[in-house]
Amino acid sequence: DARVTQTPRHKVTEMGQEVTMRCQPILGHNTVFWYRQTMMQGLELLAYFRNRAPLDDSGMPKDRFSAEMPDATLATLKIQPSEPRDSAVYFCASGLGRGEAFFGQGTRLTVV
Amino acid sequence: AQTVTQSQPEMSVQEAETVTLSCTYDTSESDYYLFWYKQPPSRQMILVIRQEAYKQQNATENRFSVNFQKAAKSFSLKISDSQLGDAAMYFCAYRSGSNYQLIWGAGTKLIIKP
Repeated sequence: DARVTQTPRHKVTEMGQEVTMRCQPILGHNTVFWYRQTMMQGLELLAYFRNRAPLDDSGMPKDRFSAEMPDATLATLKIQPSEPRDSAVYFCASGLGRGEAFFGQGTRLTVV
Repeated sequence: AQTVTQSQPEMSVQEAETVTLSCTYDTSESDYYLFWYKQPPSRQMILVIRQEAYKQQNATENRFSVNFQKAAKSFSLKISDSQLGDAAMYFCAYRSGSNYQLIWGAGTKLIIKP
C-alpha cells in the first residue's frame, strides 16, 4: 500500500530551537510538495520539487525555512530558529506528472 | 491568476440523504485538472475524485460524483447516501496542465446528522 510517510507526527519545541520534518514520497513519484495548514490561512504552499530540483519556494520565509531533497526517497523541511507563529500542521505530498497529489498524515508542530 | 472559490463554509445533511458542495474557479487556460479532497478530523488529506478538463463526462467514484460545467467554470461534488464517515472538510483544488501547483479553495465543512 503506497503512501507518503511523514515524521514526526507531532512535535513540541521551544522557541528558537531547530525543527526538522521528514517526508518519504511514494516510490516513483517525481513531484514533492510542502504545505502548511493553519486555521487562519488555510493551506499554503511552501515549496515544491520536481525530480529533486526546487521549482518554487516563494511561499517559504527564506530567513528561517529551508527545504531540500537529498535523494529521491527523502524530503526535508527545516525551521531554524522556530517561532510560535510557525505552529501549524505541515503536510508533505507527492505526485507523478500532472496528476493528483497524495498527502502524508502531516506533522503537527507546536512552538512554545 | 487562477482562483478557486468555495462559497459554503459549512453544510449539513441528514444521514442517507444527498448533498452537493459547490466550487467555482477562474482560469484562462484550457488544459487543467480539478480535484476534490476530503480532510476528516484525523487531518489526513484524502483524494475523493478528479476531473480532467478535456473530458466531457463527469467523474464518478461510488457515491461521489461531480457536475463539471466547463463553460460556467463550476465543479460541484455530489455525495449520495451520506454516511457518518463522510463528515469532514472538503476542499476543491485546481491544477494547471502546465504547472504542478495546486490552487485550493477555502473548504466546506460537511456535517452529517444521524
